[in-house]
Amino acid sequence: DGGITQSPKYLFRKEGQNVTLSCEQNLNHDAMYWYRQDPGQGLRLIYYSQIVNDFQKGDIAEGYSVSREKKESFPLTVTSAQKNPTAFYLCASSIRQGVRFGNEQFFGPGTRLTVL
Amino acid sequence: GQQVMQIPQYQHVQEGEDFTTYCNSSTTLSNIQWYKQRPGGHPVFLIQLVKSGEVKKQKRLTFQFGEAKKNSSLHITATQTTDVGTYFCAGHEDSNYQLIWGAGTKLIIKP
Repeated sequence: DGGITQSPKYLFRKEGQNVTLSCEQNLNHDAMYWYRQDPGQGLRLIYYSQIVNDFQKGDIAEGYSVSREKKESFPLTVTSAQKNPTAFYLCASSIRQGVRFGNEQFFGPGTRLTVL
Repeated sequence: GQQVMQIPQYQHVQEGEDFTTYCNSSTTLSNIQWYKQRPGGHPVFLIQLVKSGEVKKQKRLTFQFGEAKKNSSLHITATQTTDVGTYFCAGHEDSNYQLIWGAGTKLIIKP
């Protein structure tokens, strides 16, 4: 059964702690993405990766870091430098980035991070 | 950066009424995609439009891509409670591989 998994679904952390959100896909997709969604808002791109061992900053990368050591995995670390980390974090993947046809994004169920 | 404007932000309808959301870009898009996010859920891909003036239908949903490939709309006929959620458009510019997201329109069914 192919798809994207994110864990955990809910995560609570104390202010000042780094936290890593996992994202795994078995769709054999090249491109992976991390988005942040605040209540009642749209999606804002944090980081994206088009290929293993390569990634680029999105619109709101400050205070976040990622790695792409394996094709199927794209973990996101929310560092203590992120001023307002409480949000809903969504991971997505697509066959490739920027392909005109068939490049829809498939999303994981998301992780709701609350920093106390 | 480039933006895709989506309106309205919210739309309250009685069950059975129609619903429409609009997206507008200042630049030409190579394609536009539509996604639905149910309350508490994650966005799910609905459809992609590529051709100028393209119209596609999925049961009660009608998607249009403008002739200039700068605007798009989603129309739902006779809304049902299962339609509740937020509808997002997202487009690729010809010169940019990054998907640009609209802010979404939340469909609310009045009790």
